Amino acid sequence: GENVEQHPSTLSVQEGDSAVIKCTYSDSASNYFPWYKQELGKRPQLIIDIRSNVGEKKDQRIAVTLNKTAKHFSLHITETQPEDSAVYFCAASITGGGADGLTFGKGTHLIIQP
Amino acid sequence: NAGVTQTPKFQVLKTGQSMTLQCAQDMNHNSMYWYRQDPGMGLRLIYYSASEGTTDKGEVPNGYNVSRLNKREFSLRLESAAPSQTSVYFCASSDGPGVGRGYTFGSGTRLTVV
Repeated sequence: GENVEQHPSTLSVQEGDSAVIKCTYSDSASNYFPWYKQELGKRPQLIIDIRSNVGEKKDQRIAVTLNKTAKHFSLHITETQPEDSAVYFCAASITGGGADGLTFGKGTHLIIQP
Repeated sequence: NAGVTQTPKFQVLKTGQSMTLQCAQDMNHNSMYWYRQDPGMGLRLIYYSASEGTTDKGEVPNGYNVSRLNKREFSLRLESAAPSQTSVYFCASSDGPGVGRGYTFGSGTRLTVV
């Protein structure tokens, strides 16, 4: 089955700096790659996603890039703010986000230092 | 519009006891999922239901059973709870491959087995 590796497990950045979280996946048939943000004690919430026919997608301070050849994708957060502190999960799916379920990375704890 | 509702929010069980976790969604989604979240392990798929009337095993199904009662409801049953099943359980739903905005998660059930 699919295997998703996520790095780093913890990332500490100064407020205002950029943060980058990287994921690799094993199954070249995967075609849907979402990112979730989970604040302490709360549910994961989708923040951005990308499909395999797109190389990059942006939404305000957040962007995701996908390299299908290398089978890796990354989350970029610019101008980080205290409210960005959370655990971020990447995921991959063969069915485009539908029936078979997502395979998640183990998460990155992002800490924004004031 | 409640989204995905899970009950209970907290539960303590003794080893060997049984219980059912309830999940309901009001978004008319076709697919529903049960995940467990353990520290440092990310989210792992227990069972999923691609559509009403179907269920399939995910990555970690042992010790669990599920029922897709109707399109709205998907329950998870622990027949004989074990300490290894201490975890946070999340139900999620999606409207199928290639459409929509990924998964919507419930607020979670924190289960402790003593």
